[in-house]
Amino acid sequence: QVHLQQSGPGLVKPSQTLSLTCAISGDSVSSNSATWNWIRQSPSRGLEWLGRTYYRSKWYNDYAASVKSRIIINPGTSRNQFSLQLNSVTPEDTAVYYCARKRVDCTGGRCYYYFDYWGQGTLVTVSS
Amino acid sequence: QSVLTQPPSASGTPGQRVTISCSGTSSNIGGNSVNWYQQFPGTAPKLLIYGNNQRPSGVPDRFSGSKSGTSASLAISGLQSEDEADYYCSTWDDSLNVWMFGGGTKLTVL
Repeated sequence: QVHLQQSGPGLVKPSQTLSLTCAISGDSVSSNSATWNWIRQSPSRGLEWLGRTYYRSKWYNDYAASVKSRIIINPGTSRNQFSLQLNSVTPEDTAVYYCARKRVDCTGGRCYYYFDYWGQGTLVTVSS
Repeated sequence: QSVLTQPPSASGTPGQRVTISCSGTSSNIGGNSVNWYQQFPGTAPKLLIYGNNQRPSGVPDRFSGSKSGTSASLAISGLQSEDEADYYCSTWDDSLNVWMFGGGTKLTVL
């Protein structure tokens, strides 16, 4: 059974950096059949995928264009975790942030891609 | 505004069958499989349907999904009070290179 445990502050000041960590148990951040993602949810923006990190002989990162200039997602192989860093935050970045595993499931000649495990969510408020 | 369009609300009485639609484009639903998530207040989304119509282990067969062209649907038969939740469709968008989510449909069991 996979479990994702999030940690990090719930309050960040405008212009500062939002930092969250997602600890993985039951799988490896270096898995060749998963990607490790950050997704946020707010009333104004709904569910918004922010980006991912994954290992396929080397490490890769992909980010949503909406945050690409401000985001870093890093794997933490020594502690089997991955992290989110979002710079220069504004009140519009106030949201519940989730980490999630995207599984690659290939059977019968077809491959399926879905988020099967999610962290518990962290409400991050950007306010002075 | 979400690229994947869902009705904001749906409702039904216990035992009824309800469907929730999700409309997209050729760059997302038209070319990729659709997943559905169920979310209760204060909790993370839970995978309900993947690959358009596949149910993960533990999901009752009252829940089913389908896809045609650039639209997808989630059907819930034998509606129960515990099905009252928010439902989201999701798929990859080949043009934007992002995972997309619908705006969500709040299901009320009357």
